[in-house]
Amino acid sequence: EAQVTQNPRYLITVTGKKLTVTCSQNMNHEYMSWYRQDPGLGLRQIYYSMNVEVTDKGDVPEGYKVSRKEKRNFPLILESPSPNQTSLYFCASSWGQGYETQYFGPGTRLLVL
Amino acid sequence: AQKITQTQPGMFVQEKEAVTLDCTYDTSDQSYGLFWYKQPSSGEMIFLIYQGSYDEQNATEGRYSLNFQKARKSANLVISASQLGDSAMYFCAMRGAMNSGYSTLTFGKGTMLLVSP
Repeated sequence: EAQVTQNPRYLITVTGKKLTVTCSQNMNHEYMSWYRQDPGLGLRQIYYSMNVEVTDKGDVPEGYKVSRKEKRNFPLILESPSPNQTSLYFCASSWGQGYETQYFGPGTRLLVL
Repeated sequence: AQKITQTQPGMFVQEKEAVTLDCTYDTSDQSYGLFWYKQPSSGEMIFLIYQGSYDEQNATEGRYSLNFQKARKSANLVISASQLGDSAMYFCAMRGAMNSGYSTLTFGKGTMLLVSP
């Protein structure tokens, strides 16, 4: 089954404790992205990747890091989480760079205390 | 910069009736794509429908249709014969022209649709 998986689905952590949210897709997609969703703000792009070892900042990259060492994986790293990073996070992938549909993961709910 | 505006924070509709969710966009790009996604209470993002800026006909997918009015820069989602399972948050999104080989997907703030029996 074609899918994007994220882990963990739910995470409660404390300020400053490094964490990683994993994202994996099995569709051989080149393009992957991370978004955060906050009430009243919709989804905002954090980072995206056009291929292995090619990443770039989205609209809200501060406080986040990403890496793309393999085509299927695109982890999101919070080196020192803060309460304002409490949010719902989505990973997405698509095979093309144009208007192809993005496939979203199930989301990760993060609470930073 | 591109922008998506969804002016309806919430909408109510009765089961079996049709409902229109509004979406207007702002872009200087000539080529772009418009999307609608559904997000039920469980949280996942579900792709509903896509319209390309050069598509002459309005897109349709089952009970979903996209009322595309290019001159007015609007891309409203029409759901016919609403069902209780349509209750969800709906997001309009746009991909603009590609810069350095990538086009950003920009989302609106969403419209919450509640379908009553």
